[in-house]
Amino acid sequence: QLQLQESGPGLVKTSETLSLTCSVSGGSVSSSNSYWGWVRQPPGKGLEWVGSIYYSGTTFYSPSLKSRITISIDTPKNQFSLKLTSVTAADTAVYFCARLGDDYVWGSWFDYWGQGTLVTVSS
Amino acid sequence: QSVVTQPPSVSGAPGQRVSISCTGSSSNIGAGYDVHWYLQLPGTAPKLLIYSTNNRPSGVPDRFSGSKSGTSASLAISGLQAEDEAEYYCQSFDSSLGVSVFGSGTKVTVL
Repeated sequence: QLQLQESGPGLVKTSETLSLTCSVSGGSVSSSNSYWGWVRQPPGKGLEWVGSIYYSGTTFYSPSLKSRITISIDTPKNQFSLKLTSVTAADTAVYFCARLGDDYVWGSWFDYWGQGTLVTVSS
Repeated sequence: QSVVTQPPSVSGAPGQRVSISCTGSSSNIGAGYDVHWYLQLPGTAPKLLIYSTNNRPSGVPDRFSGSKSGTSASLAISGLQAEDEAEYYCQSFDSSLGVSVFGSGTKVTVL
């Protein structure tokens, strides 16, 4: 059974960089044609797609975050990561990592999710 | 606000059938992009309920069904149970924005 687990600081200072890692078990981030992604949810609000990465390293970012975001994949560690620079209070959210359920990124569903981790941005 | 809208809440008595709408536009649902549905309990991750409009992952009861017509999609829950009380989200792709989009979410209350 595929399992994903987010890790990283729960508190980040305004203007600094948010860094999260998603550790994958029960499967491989390098599985052919697999896509992995990040979704966030501000407290009390809805879900927002942040970005996705193909097993080969090709990335796809939300246009609203594109200037601040980097998603990378670490095959030996079976992990993928999210970095978001110059954070503000608006980036406070629960961040979920997830696997896309099909071999395409645009509009594919998320079939396996991590439990989510709350990141609070505060000065 | 989301480009794909859902009613904030729906409710029904145990055993009843409820339906949740997901209304988009010609750049997302109306363009033929797939619609997916998730259930989210408080403090937990979303769980996939329906993918590609009307397909259920293994383990999802057949009480849940999906459909799509024009610029809208719907999730129906028949034989409503107390455990169905949760937040439900639809998801699609918007070609104008170039992003996967989630609906605004619907709280289902079992009376």
